[in-house]
Amino acid sequence: KAGVTQTPRYLIKTRGQQVTLSCSPISGHRSVSWYQQTPGQGLQFLFEYFSETQRNKGNFPGRFSGRQFSNSRSEMNVSTLELGDSALYLCASSPRGGFGYEQYFGPGTRLTVT
Amino acid sequence: GESVGLHLPTLSVQEGDNSIINCAYSNSASDYFIWYKQESGKGPQFIIDIRSNMDKRQGQRVTVLLNKTVKHLSLQIAATQPGDSAVYFCAENERGGGADGLTFGKGTHLIIQP
Repeated sequence: KAGVTQTPRYLIKTRGQQVTLSCSPISGHRSVSWYQQTPGQGLQFLFEYFSETQRNKGNFPGRFSGRQFSNSRSEMNVSTLELGDSALYLCASSPRGGFGYEQYFGPGTRLTVT
Repeated sequence: GESVGLHLPTLSVQEGDNSIINCAYSNSASDYFIWYKQESGKGPQFIIDIRSNMDKRQGQRVTVLLNKTVKHLSLQIAATQPGDSAVYFCAENERGGGADGLTFGKGTHLIIQP
């Protein structure tokens, strides 16, 4: 069974621009979560989608948004990019919603904001 | 929210020895715990999980111990191999699938000496 895939793997953007990242979960998984990983803050939860609905949201500004499609694929959008948004953005999928179950991570998208 | 932290940022062990990676958590409502391994350039990889109704769980070459009294979690890796070199994260979620996603520790870098 194919794992979680994320595209693109690397991205360079300029401050003020916006960016969209994509995640395809493991086949059959309906829950997709997004995390931001930085050296200073570590791994931090952004949001979770289940059956096209945002179920949970972390403590990030409204510039960070997402959506999930009927095939469970998910996109994450960051508007008005700031230098501090440079990070590895990780997507994780799970067969069930919530976080009391194993989550499978993709390789991440490395975003650099200049 | 409350945080999950690790005692040591770097752990160096001899190949063939056993490794023990420790993690402290502060959220008394934590109910589900996971250990992840992250190699350079990759997303976190699930190693083993444990629920709060257990105090020990074993996998292939790995054992997780949970001490709820002192809010401490450990990962034991038997007969450490070069391929075990990575950053190890503990993560937790509170009872009922807390809405803040998985809370991750800062990570311990395991270095294997030949």
